[in-house]
Amino acid sequence: DAGVIQSPRHEVTEMGQEVTLRCKPISGHDYLFWYRQTMMRGLELLIYFNNNVPIDDSGMPEDRFSAKMPNASFSTLKIQPSEPRDSAVYFCASSFNPGQYEQYFGPGTRLTVT
Amino acid sequence: SQQGEEDPQALSIQEGENATMNCSYKTSINNLQWYRQNSGRGLVHLILIRSNEREKHSGRLRVTLDTSKKSSSLLITASRAADTASYFCATEGHNTDKLIFGTGTRLQVFP
Repeated sequence: DAGVIQSPRHEVTEMGQEVTLRCKPISGHDYLFWYRQTMMRGLELLIYFNNNVPIDDSGMPEDRFSAKMPNASFSTLKIQPSEPRDSAVYFCASSFNPGQYEQYFGPGTRLTVT
Repeated sequence: SQQGEEDPQALSIQEGENATMNCSYKTSINNLQWYRQNSGRGLVHLILIRSNEREKHSGRLRVTLDTSKKSSSLLITASRAADTASYFCATEGHNTDKLIFGTGTRLQVFP
């Protein structure tokens, strides 16, 4: 398996633009997690899905953020409109069963909003 | 919000020395995990220790867990330059699938 795949790897956009980050989890993993990493706040869980259903989105910072998982092999995290403070590295991770097994992280998307 | 605090924030050692990192957390847990992150990369899982376990080994890694003190330690023995990375502890609470990550320790191993 290729591991968790994220695209794009880097995104530079202007304030006010819509940004869409994409993730393909490892095949067979039932759980998908979206994280954001910044120097100031560290690694924060934004939202996670189980069997394509959002379970906990309490970490989503504002209504400008939304996430979907239309099927078991694809998820998106959208920011609309984007703001400079959204600049961060966004990671997607997947797991077979978080209580028993580890999470596998993708390489991340480095987002810069100017 | 972060569950764990790691200590030290940064650690510099010579190759061959041992490195010890500590993690403290606040609430009761189901398991605790350690991850490594190389610069510019995603996190890689190192080891998982369950709340009913006290010690676990994996190669040059040794993890201990003291639930009474709500703390864990990661020991890397005979360190190598390739061990240079940030190390994070992460806790999973009861009745949740969420991992809460600590603040991380930046380890620098000099050849």
